[in-house]
Amino acid sequence: GENVEQHPSTLSVQEGDSAVIKCTYSDSASNYFPWYKQELGKRPQLIIDIRSNVGEKKDQRIAVTLNKTAKHFSLHITETQPEDSAVYFCLDVAYKYIFGTGTRLKVLA
Amino acid sequence: DTAVSQTPKYLVTQMGNDKSIKCEQNLGHDTMYWYKQDSKKFLKIMFSYNNKELIINETVPNRFSPKSPDKAHLNLHINSLELGDSAVYFCASSQGGGNYEQYFGPGTRLTVT
Repeated sequence: GENVEQHPSTLSVQEGDSAVIKCTYSDSASNYFPWYKQELGKRPQLIIDIRSNVGEKKDQRIAVTLNKTAKHFSLHITETQPEDSAVYFCLDVAYKYIFGTGTRLKVLA
Repeated sequence: DTAVSQTPKYLVTQMGNDKSIKCEQNLGHDTMYWYKQDSKKFLKIMFSYNNKELIINETVPNRFSPKSPDKAHLNLHINSLELGDSAVYFCASSQGGGNYEQYFGPGTRLTVT
């Protein structure tokens, strides 16, 4: 069946360093790849997304890259700040909506 | 103006009871969803409606019944509540027509004792 593997499950970085989170999907029909951020006690919110006809998209300190051949997409956060600390989820939208298992990012000041 | 709202925000109830959670969106979106987030933070889709029609019905117990009286509302009724139903339930909506961005409600924390 369809599934989405997300790694790592936890990630601690020093403020100012970069963080990378990766998701691997299995459904070749997938064509939309978003990333959501969920702060403690809050709702998930979209931070960046990419469609299958694009290999990379950047928005200030965050970027998403897509490798359709290998079926994975990654979230890159540069110059991390304490307010980046949250749980990040990828989402695979094919026939169903399957969230990755989440990555708890902690940015240490 | 709240885009996606849910009531109640917290719900504490005993096993065996029946409860409902309400969701409303004022974004004019065509598609609405219910997600369950467990204590390990896993987010799983339960149901999705498009223009009041059920389009995704994941493997959830039939004690859970969604109802969409119109495309701005999607309610979730749960019968015979069990301890394992304790979780945060999120309602969400998306525009539809190839636009999949999920707009989440604030969540309802359900605790079954």
